[in-house]
Formats: sequence, structure tokens, C-alpha cells
Amino acid sequence: GAGVSQTPSNKVTEKGKYVELRCDPISGHTALYWYRQSLGQGPEFLIYFQGTGAADDSGLPNDRFFAVRPEGSVSTLKIQRTERGDSAVYLCASGLTGNEETQYFGPGTRLLVL
Amino acid sequence: DQQVKQNSPSLSVQEGRISILNCDYTNSMFDYFLWYKKYPAEGPTFLISISSIKDKNEDGRFTVFLNKSAKHLSLHIVPSQPGDSAVYFCAASANSGYALNFGKGTSLLVTP
Repeated sequence: GAGVSQTPSNKVTEKGKYVELRCDPISGHTALYWYRQSLGQGPEFLIYFQGTGAADDSGLPNDRFFAVRPEGSVSTLKIQRTERGDSAVYLCASGLTGNEETQYFGPGTRLLVL
Repeated sequence: DQQVKQNSPSLSVQEGRISILNCDYTNSMFDYFLWYKKYPAEGPTFLISISSIKDKNEDGRFTVFLNKSAKHLSLHIVPSQPGDSAVYFCAASANSGYALNFGKGTSLLVTP
């Protein structure tokens, strides 16, 4: 079975631009998570979806960051007015139910803001 | 503040020997713990997990030990193989939440 996929694998943009990062979770997984990993750090939680709704968005750093999952499957992380500090690897993970279980990660999108 | 700490940034072990990776946590609400392995340019891959109701979980060459009173867990790899060379992340979650809190990782090098 296919794992979590993320596109694009790499994204280079200029400061101030808008970017969208896509995540395709494992089929049948109702829980979807976004994390951000900066150099030398572990992944940091951004947002968790249960189905179509954001169950916990407490990790989003500010209102420039937004994520959607309109049909309960694919999710898009949107970053407005990108800043150089947004440069990181953005990881998506999915889980079967979202209740203290294993989260399965995609390969990540490497975002570089120039 | 870092609630999950991996105080050793790197570890080098000879092939065939035991690798012991350590992790400490500060949040007493954490009750589910996982270890992930990460190769360069790939996402973290799940290795093994343990619930707080247990103190040990074993899967092949990998064993995780949990000491709740010390808020400490460790991952043992026996015997270590060169293919085990990767960055290992410890992660934890609390009953009331679903986010995983990660440590900064330990880079393991297994030499032939």
C-alpha cells in the first residue's frame, strides 16, 4: 500500500510570496498532522485534523499559516507572505484514528524562502 | 520549552555491539512514547512504541524501556548493524492531546 506522499518535494520561493504544500495521507486514515522541522531540531507540531476539521491548530506559529482538508483526505498547508524564517522541512503524517497511535510520516517538503 | 530531551547529539558503536539511545521528558502527562528513525532526505520512519502502562516493549533487535518515575526511556538495538546508522528521534504524546513532542534527535553511527 502507498504511504504518505507530499508534493512538491522541494520548493524555493521569494520572501513575501504565497506557497501551498500538499499532503496525501494513507488511504483510510482519518487523522492527519502537519509538523515543521528546522535544521538541527526535531519535528514541531503545527496542526492536527480529524476528518475534515482541524481538531488542534495550537502549533501554527501565526495567522500567515493555514491548513485545510476539505474532503477528509488530501490536506493543503498554506503559507502567506512567506518569510526567510519559514524555511524548513514541512512534514505530514497520518494515523488511523488519531487516538494515541503511531503516526506515519511522508518524506516532507523542503521549503526555502530567499 | 523542550519537553522531550535527547542529550546525546551523536553516538558511535561498533557493528555487533549494543546501541543505547536515551531520552528524558518533563511532562508527567505524557503516556505514549515512540521512537522514529530518520535517514537524510526522508521522513521519520516509525520504529517502536510503548504505552505508559508498560515498562518494556520488544520488537526484534529493538527494545524500548520506560522508567516513569525517572521520566526516562531508552532504545536498545542489539546487535547493531551498519544499516542502523541514522538519526533517532524520541517522541511523546499526552492523553489529552494528539500532537507528538519530539526530541532533537541522536545521530547513530554503526561502524563495521
